[in-house]
Amino acid sequence: GIQVEQSPPDLILQEGANSTLRCNFSDSVNNLQWFHQNPWGQLINLFYIPSGTKQNGRLSATTVATERYSLLYISSSQTTDSGVYFCAVGPPRSGTYKYIFGTGTRLKVLA
Amino acid sequence: GAVVSQHPSWVICKSGTSVKIECRSLDFQATTMFWYRQFPKQSLMLMATSNEGSKATYEQGVEKDKFLINHASLTLSTLTVTSAHPEDSSFYICSASLLAGGPIEQYFGPGTRLTVT
Repeated sequence: GIQVEQSPPDLILQEGANSTLRCNFSDSVNNLQWFHQNPWGQLINLFYIPSGTKQNGRLSATTVATERYSLLYISSSQTTDSGVYFCAVGPPRSGTYKYIFGTGTRLKVLA
Repeated sequence: GAVVSQHPSWVICKSGTSVKIECRSLDFQATTMFWYRQFPKQSLMLMATSNEGSKATYEQGVEKDKFLINHASLTLSTLTVTSAHPEDSSFYICSASLLAGGPIEQYFGPGTRLTVT
């Protein structure tokens, strides 16, 4: 099955710093989302981005589907950005719109 | 919009008993719902895909007789963990798709933390 690897696995930032999180996938995909899991376990939708670039405030994301990767940019990080970031991809030909989740990046932003 | 709720948010049960977890889409109709489990400091693992009015599709390695899924309406799916054992202790999360067919997003519930003693 499709493999989804995220890097780095762990990241510690000082408040105000910028960062780039990467998601590599081993096969073509028909869907891709980025999520932030907060300390209480809730997954928050950040971007639905199977291709192209999107921006929402301090966050932006780019997916290059032909090269099988997606990037999440966090600018001017805040302590509330702490948590785990997951990308999830939808394998084509699955017959459903199910997701396979990546390995995650655990982010800690220090005040 | 696109809010998904789960109930209960946490549950403790004794080994051998069954536990039912509800997943509801509050402000939209969800033809498809998904169930995931997550162990501490790990990623989410898809357990099954649930379609309204039909049998769930389970991922390889997931025991369908142990994890019973019912998607009785367009706003409600339930997961029943039967004869629970301590190794079933986990964080269970559901999601719902906004539309059927075409590109879609998944919206996630807040999760249910199950502890089996």
